[in-house]
Amino acid sequence: GQQLNQSPQSMFIQEGEDVSMNCTSSSIFNTWLWYKQDPGEGPVLLIALYKAGELTSNGRLTAQFGITRKDSFLNISASIPSDVGIYFCAGRSSNAGGTSYGKLTFGQGTILTVHP
Amino acid sequence: KAGVTQTPRYLIKTRGQQVTLSCSPISGHRSVSWYQQTPGQGLQFLFEYFSETQRNKGNFPGRFSGRQFSNSRSEMNVSTLELGDSALYLCASSGRTEAFFGQGTRLTVV
Repeated sequence: GQQLNQSPQSMFIQEGEDVSMNCTSSSIFNTWLWYKQDPGEGPVLLIALYKAGELTSNGRLTAQFGITRKDSFLNISASIPSDVGIYFCAGRSSNAGGTSYGKLTFGQGTILTVHP
Repeated sequence: KAGVTQTPRYLIKTRGQQVTLSCSPISGHRSVSWYQQTPGQGLQFLFEYFSETQRNKGNFPGRFSGRQFSNSRSEMNVSTLELGDSALYLCASSGRTEAFFGQGTRLTVV
């Protein structure tokens, strides 16, 4: 089945530093989504990417949809303590008719710790 | 606009019992997907419902089932609970592109 490899598994950084994480897949995805999850809560959508090569920003977050459609990265600039959490990438495929099915394939997550 | 609502938030069940979890999607969203999250396996896809029909299914045993009602609300049921079913169960509501998650139901099987 489809696999998503997300790296790094964890990061320990100082407040103010920039962060970069990425996901690679053995299969093509038509949509890439990035989520942040706090303990005991559901994932919160940060950024959605729909086209190969697309670069999208949301405040201090920037994400890109790889040209091959098999990878994506997320950057966080000038990290702050509330950035702490687990970040997940997720890919979604379409069927032959182009319908985006609901199924998401998730990476293993990147645990981010920010030291003040 | 209300978000995705999952009930209950927490549940403790005994091995062998069954459980039903509920998910109310975002108004206008017709797709509801369910995921199981555990420390060892991460987020695993259970199944997706669209307009009351199961559209996709993950690799889980038949003890895991679901349904969707005409108002798009969805339920998932787990029968004959096992200790390994302890997990955070998440529901995702999808429109045409994005997917939004509820807060999840934390199921503990003892």
